[in-house]
Amino acid sequence: KAGVTQTPRYLIKTRGQQVTLSCSPISGHRSVSWYQQTPGQGLQFLFEYFSETQRNKGNFPGRFSGRQFSNSRSEMNVSTLELGDSALYLCASSSAGGEADTQYFGPGTRLTVL
Amino acid sequence: GQNIDQPTEMTATEGAIVQINCTYQTSGFNGLFWYQQHAGEAPTFLSYNVLDGLEEKGRFSSFLSRSKGYSYLLLKELQMKDSASYLCAVRAGDGYQLIWGAGTKLIIKP
Repeated sequence: KAGVTQTPRYLIKTRGQQVTLSCSPISGHRSVSWYQQTPGQGLQFLFEYFSETQRNKGNFPGRFSGRQFSNSRSEMNVSTLELGDSALYLCASSSAGGEADTQYFGPGTRLTVL
Repeated sequence: GQNIDQPTEMTATEGAIVQINCTYQTSGFNGLFWYQQHAGEAPTFLSYNVLDGLEEKGRFSSFLSRSKGYSYLLLKELQMKDSASYLCAVRAGDGYQLIWGAGTKLIIKP
């Protein structure tokens, strides 16, 4: 079974631009979560989608948005990029997002904002 | 508030045993996960505990005490490849959201 894939792997943008990141979950998984990881900060939860609906949301500004398609693939969009948005963005999929569900991570997209 | 504490960094010797602690204060508890993350790579799942006690999986074991809000990950017969960050995460609250600790960087010396 193929793992979680994320594209692109690396991205360089300038302040004020916008960016779209893509995540394809493991086949059969319906839940996709997005995280931001910066050095020393741990994983910061952005949002979770399940069956095309946003089920949970973290404490990030409205510049961060996402969506999920009927095939469970998900996209994350960041508008009006700021220098502080430079980070590794990880997506994780799980079968249904239940209590014992294990999240499986993709390799991440490393975003650099200049 | 929700909070998870782990030591920032630990050092151990190849072949030895190391225990990485995790304490948590969360609203509700629906399980605790441990992940391993090598530098520049994605986190990979190690263990899941929802009941008190010890779960053993090869060289790795994980312990949970819900009354104390405490867990530890025990790594035996350390190998150089175990050098990585170890992340503790708690599933808490109505939304089943995962709350993550900042991770413990484990350095293995020969």
